[in-house]
Amino acid sequence: GAVVSQHPSRVICKSGTSVKIECRSLDFQATTMFWYRQFPKQSLMLMATSNEGSKATYEQGVEKDKFLINHASLTLSTLTVTSAHPEDSSFYICSARPYSGNQFFGPGTRLTVL
Amino acid sequence: KQEVTQIPAALSVPEGENLVLNCSFTDSAIYNLQWFRQDPGKGLTSLLLIQSSQREQTSGRLNASLDKSSGRSTLYIAASQPGDSATYLCAVRHGNKLVFGAGTILRVKS
Repeated sequence: GAVVSQHPSRVICKSGTSVKIECRSLDFQATTMFWYRQFPKQSLMLMATSNEGSKATYEQGVEKDKFLINHASLTLSTLTVTSAHPEDSSFYICSARPYSGNQFFGPGTRLTVL
Repeated sequence: KQEVTQIPAALSVPEGENLVLNCSFTDSAIYNLQWFRQDPGKGLTSLLLIQSSQREQTSGRLNASLDKSSGRSTLYIAASQPGDSATYLCAVRHGNKLVFGAGTILRVKS
């Protein structure tokens, strides 16, 4: 079946630093990738949608200069949280979808900003 | 704007009981509806996917129904087991996006 990986699974950083999270589709080409954020005991909130080779489309209220998304290839997307602050601490989940098909989810990355 | 609501927010049942989780959505123009399971601190596991033209899907002890016109879906779990304890998320595909409910936290007591 389709597998999506995320790296790292857990990261702790100091306030003000930048953190990069990688999302890879391991056995299919993902024309579209999605990034979600999940706060404790809340549901997944879509942050942005990216198509390979195009700029990401951000949801309302998500700062594109703070959450940089790069989808440079059909198997890799990265999310960089720039100048992270404690309020950015959350569980970040990526999802990948081939041209016509369902979305497959990664295992998530737990970000803790001290 | 599509909104997805799940009831109840939390449920605790004894082992062996049959149970129903509810999901409702405000815009019936959906492509499909999906039920996921999420264990604490983990990603999502897809359980069942119902296309908009379908009424139900079954997998083992799980049965999901869809009534698109009324904006409702149910997930039926038969003979619940402690290993079923998790958060269950309902999501509808609306346009190019999946819109999630807040989930139902299920605890099955042994």
